[in-house]
Amino acid sequence: NAGVTQTPKFRVLKTGQSMTLLCAQDMNHEYMYWYRQDPGMGLRLIHYSVGEGTTAKGEVPDGYNVSRLKKQNFLLGLESAAPSQTSVYFCASSYSVTGGPNQPQHFGDGTRLSIL
Amino acid sequence: GDSVTQMEGPVTLSEEAFLTINCTYTATGYPSLFWYVQYPGEGLQLLLKATKADDKGSNKGFEATYRKETTSFHLEKGSVQVSDSAVYFCALSMNTGFQKLVFGTGTRLLVSP
Repeated sequence: NAGVTQTPKFRVLKTGQSMTLLCAQDMNHEYMYWYRQDPGMGLRLIHYSVGEGTTAKGEVPDGYNVSRLKKQNFLLGLESAAPSQTSVYFCASSYSVTGGPNQPQHFGDGTRLSIL
Repeated sequence: GDSVTQMEGPVTLSEEAFLTINCTYTATGYPSLFWYVQYPGEGLQLLLKATKADDKGSNKGFEATYRKETTSFHLEKGSVQVSDSAVYFCALSMNTGFQKLVFGTGTRLLVSP
């Protein structure tokens, strides 16, 4: 199994450009998440989804949009990139609580994004 | 709000040394606690977890005990290997509704031969 796959792995953007990060999981997980990882700050939740067609804001949602049109995919969009969005972005997925409490999150390998 | 505090790194050890990485938490209720590990160039992987007070999580020689009285979940390993070099994240999740993970800032471990 591929698990959680993120594309692209690296990207450099200019301020004001837009782009979409793609996350795909093949584990039939209900929940999906987008995090950003910055030095000295750990991982912070941007947006999450508890099922196909649903999304919700996390801790740091400003400047990002998401969509979950299919259960296996979770897209993260930057409409107008800013230097403050330079970060490493991780997607994760997990079963819902109906599968039992404390389901582990499975992470992709990350997308390193630089905004100039 | 809920938070996790980890010791700052890097932690530098020689192979076969004893490892402790400290983690304390602040939460309004009784969370579940986790350790995740991130190897270079990879995403995070669950290392171990504990869901209630006095539980001990263990995996790959690593252990951590959920101490409610000291709000701690310290990670230990008796004899580290070079392959254990990674960043270790402590995290908590409240056991209500959507299980959002709150992460600490991570501790980098460097093990030399």
